[in-house]
Amino acid sequence: EPEVTQTPSHQVTQMGQEVILRCVPISNHLYFYWYRQILGQKVEFLVSFYNNEISEKSEIFDDQFSVERPDGSNFTLKIRSTKLEDSAMYFCASSWTGVTEAFFGQGTRLTVV
Amino acid sequence: QQPVQSPQAVILREGEDAVINCSSSKALYSVHWYRQKHGEAPVFLMILLKGGEQKGHEKISASFNEKKQQSSLYLTASQLSYSGTYFCGTEWNGGTSYGKLTFGQGTILTVHP
Repeated sequence: EPEVTQTPSHQVTQMGQEVILRCVPISNHLYFYWYRQILGQKVEFLVSFYNNEISEKSEIFDDQFSVERPDGSNFTLKIRSTKLEDSAMYFCASSWTGVTEAFFGQGTRLTVV
Repeated sequence: QQPVQSPQAVILREGEDAVINCSSSKALYSVHWYRQKHGEAPVFLMILLKGGEQKGHEKISASFNEKKQQSSLYLTASQLSYSGTYFCGTEWNGGTSYGKLTFGQGTILTVHP
């Protein structure tokens, strides 16, 4: 069964450093998303990406964050100058359309120290 | 404005039924239900669209009351594997928000033998 894959599964970084979280969405999907979940809390939307551009972003997704689809398969989230409060599980998801089910990857646990 | 889920937690014995509700103060276009087990990614269960279309899991049903802006997830004859946190994700912008889901705070379901 096709799945969304994310790497790495766990990333530890020092405050102020830049991190890149990587995702390979399901191959025939057209919509891509990043969500995050702080430990014990709900899943929060960060950004959606369609047709090689950001289609929607939340207030969390400020200038510190950027997304890119560098080739036909990868979808990345870059966090510049990480802060302690960026520590969370980051989920990538993809869907065929904007109103069909989104499939989530297993997540990258980001720990900022 | 996140959707509000109730109850916050449910404890069941195997074979018992449960209902989880998701209410919105804004007009809903679609409601997506996910189950998340501890340390894992959310797994898609059901999507309900304005107008009545449903797609999802064969052993789980749901309803969407457009007038009340509420969705309910029905778990019947619960199994141990049903344990987890259930999230509803809502889309408000008439299907033009490119799949952006705003999740509720979650309902923790525990099924005991």
